Formats: sequence, C-alpha cells, structure tokens
Amino acid sequence: EVQLLESGGGLIQPGRSLRLSCTSSGFNLADHSLTWVRQAPGRGLEWLGFIASRPFGGTAEYAASVKGRFTISRDDSTRTAYLQLNNLETEDTALYYCVRHQHMTLDYWGQGTLVTVSS
Amino acid sequence: QSALTQPASVSGSPGQSITISCTGTGSDVGLYNYVSWYQQHPDKAPKLLISDVSARTSGVSSRFSGSKSANTASLTISGLQAEDEADYYCASYSITNTWVFGGGTKVTVL
Repeated sequence: EVQLLESGGGLIQPGRSLRLSCTSSGFNLADHSLTWVRQAPGRGLEWLGFIASRPFGGTAEYAASVKGRFTISRDDSTRTAYLQLNNLETEDTALYYCVRHQHMTLDYWGQGTLVTVSS
Repeated sequence: QSALTQPASVSGSPGQSITISCTGTGSDVGLYNYVSWYQQHPDKAPKLLISDVSARTSGVSSRFSGSKSANTASLTISGLQAEDEADYYCASYSITNTWVFGGGTKVTVL
C-alpha cells in the first residue's frame, strides 16, 4: 500500500525556520517525483514546489510565492523527502502535504502536518 | 502562476447531474492534457478522482467524468449522491514546469 507520512510541523515563531519530512512506504521513492502542497485554514490548495526523480535530473522547481524561502530535497536511500521553510511568516500557517507524482499527475497524498506560525 | 478559476459553489438534488468548470490559460489547461481533479471531504486529505483530463482513477465511481475544451476543463458528477458533498479541486501542469490548482468548488447536495 502506498503511504506518505509527513512530520515536523508545530508551533513556531515568525522569522524562524522549520524542516518538514515526508517518509514514504509501499513504493520505490527513487522512481517518483514529489510535490509539496499546503492548505491554509479554511482555504484552498496551494502548490509549493516539486523535486524530480533522479532519472529526470533530481532538480526542484518552486511556486513564485515561496521561491527563495522554501527548499525541497530528497534522500532516496531513506525514502524521505524534505521541505525546508525559512523566515516563516504568519501567512505560512497551513497544513502541509507531500504528494507523489505518477507521470504528470499528483496521485497519492499524505495526511499532512500542521505548521502554525505565531508569536 | 495564477490559480485556475472554479466556481465557489455548485449544488444539486440527489440524482441530478452537476458540472464544475476549471478555467485556465493557453499556458496550462489549454496547452496540456494534464488536468486532474481531486475530492476533499472535511478534515481529510484530497483524493485523486480524474487524471489526464478524463482518466478515472481505479475504484472511483463511473458517475465522475472529466472533459476539456480549449482553456476550460470540466468535472461532471452524474446521479448526485449525499456522499458526493465535498470540496473539489482541479489542477494542471503548466508551461513553466510547475503545477497550479483551482480555487476549489464546494458541492452541496440539497
């Protein structure tokens, strides 16, 4: 069974940094690109960025709204992807999901990890 | 990277058909057949319903169907049921090698 489990969320002060993890099971992470999506309370889905699988270069692309502040990385040996959040703002408060790619579709979603930015 | 445009809400009676539109541009929806649709029930993660405009995910009811014309994709739910009450999102791959979501549509079963 394909599973994605996000962790690392919590309450954090504005301006601080946080690293979220996405641990995979039930499939070979190395064969897939991964995307991060967030959902602010009561709001819609916002695509943040993705990291390609190694055969496709292993590079990351980002939404303009977070480029330069957020960084996506991956460690296929531990089946884990990461989202580094820097210089956090209150507007970054959201549920953060990692999502597996199957070709050009975001198919399997984790349950999300909640990040609350507040002083 | 503007969000795709969806109606905020759509409603229908049980047994009726409803259609949710998703309007993008010639750089995303109109350029690629990489439109997908997701269903999200309250406090749950989104679930993939449709990929590549019209390919239904295994296990998804045949009451759900997708299509596209020019820059607008559509999700049709036929034979509306109470369990279909949820939020629905479209997403598309774009020319900038990024993805973009629609703002979401709340479906209410009257």
